[in-house]
Amino acid sequence: DAKTTQPPSMDCAEGRAANLPCNHSTISGNEYVYWYRQIHSQGPQYIIHGLKNNETNEMASLIITEDRKSSTLILPHATLRDTAVYYCIVIIQGAQKLVFGQGTRLTINP
Amino acid sequence: ETGVTQTPRHLVMGMTNKKSLKCEQHLGHNAMYWYKQSAKKPLELMFVYNFKEQTENNSVPSRFSPECPNSSHLFLHLHTLQPEDSALYLCASSQTGKLGNTEAFFGQGTRLTVV
Repeated sequence: DAKTTQPPSMDCAEGRAANLPCNHSTISGNEYVYWYRQIHSQGPQYIIHGLKNNETNEMASLIITEDRKSSTLILPHATLRDTAVYYCIVIIQGAQKLVFGQGTRLTINP
Repeated sequence: ETGVTQTPRHLVMGMTNKKSLKCEQHLGHNAMYWYKQSAKKPLELMFVYNFKEQTENNSVPSRFSPECPNSSHLFLHLHTLQPEDSALYLCASSQTGKLGNTEAFFGQGTRLTVV
């Protein structure tokens, strides 16, 4: 699976958009970009995933660059409950081995 | 509620004890996983089961013994653990294979303390 690089931490003001970057320059054609988040001491929660088109759901938007070497997760109106560690994972659809890196610790400030 | 239930939520055990962690999923998934998360560290994948067969063992010490009697249940049997094994143990399930989507659902975890 392709390796991802994320900033270790980010801050965002409550009510603003939080934009979390992820670099995956070695991504292959059949690998998807998945985002999960883990609120303190809870199990990780799936957020969104995409292949090459931008995706949006009730939680977030995922913007994938045209060359697919990087992506950005956008939380449009961050709340204090969005404080969590956010993980970007690149993986083949339906693969068994879901491996988590260090992620980005996002802190939403009032 | 994710559809993946872990029991117990908290466990304190001595180094000579034997205990088991239980995980149950009602999502019809064919794969189940055990992860370990120590303080300030990322999640470490321990075991993967696919259709009840173990397909991944990430060099986990033998004092951790997984069991998957069917696709809905997963156990982690613990014996003669060390204090450094204290961690949050997370179970997950997903639908793998060509029709799968790798969206994994996690339980709330078992907070294990070894004394």
